[in-house]
Amino acid sequence: NAGVTQTPKFQVLKTGQSMTLQCAQDMNHNSMYWYRQDPGMGLRLIYYSASEGTTDKGEVPNGYNVSRLNKREFSLRLESAAPSQTSVYFCASSESTSGHAVETQYFGPGTRLLVL
Amino acid sequence: EDQVTQSPEALRLQEGESSSLNCSYTVSGLRGLFWYRQDPGKGPEFLFTLYSAGEEKEKERLKATLTKKESFLHITAPKPEDSATYLCAVHPRYSSASKIIFGSGTRLSIRP
Repeated sequence: NAGVTQTPKFQVLKTGQSMTLQCAQDMNHNSMYWYRQDPGMGLRLIYYSASEGTTDKGEVPNGYNVSRLNKREFSLRLESAAPSQTSVYFCASSESTSGHAVETQYFGPGTRLLVL
Repeated sequence: EDQVTQSPEALRLQEGESSSLNCSYTVSGLRGLFWYRQDPGKGPEFLFTLYSAGEEKEKERLKATLTKKESFLHITAPKPEDSATYLCAVHPRYSSASKIIFGSGTRLSIRP
């Protein structure tokens, strides 16, 4: 089992460029999440998908879009990158079928994004 | 407002010198509290889940404890390979699984 995988590992963009971050999990999990991690701050939720076919905004969704392509894959798109989106992006998944269950989230290795 | 605060921000210990990391939380009821380890350039790695005050869990040199207002991660006789950032996260009682709140972490460094 690879767990949660993310591509690319590192990306440099110019302001205004677009890109898609890819995430896949092989644990047959229902829920998937996108976080960003900035120095001195905790992980902040951008978007999540409670199940295949559904997506919802998290704490910091502005400037991002997501697609839950199937049960395994959840992508994050930056339509017009800004320097404020320079960050490390983590994808996570959890087994959850019940919205209020205590679910352990398992994380991918991250994508480091630099926007110039 | 729900909040998670970890202290200290950074901790440097000598190999074998035991200590504790603190995670204090302010939430309207706790459904669960998580500890993760994060190595530089890697994603967070799950360590423990605690559900109720008085609960303890152990793994090798780490022991996590939980009270009604805080959790401690005790590290006994640490080794250099225990150097990492340790993250705490809470799942408030009246929130869905998507509303987990993370602290900013404690960066632990163990000198040989």
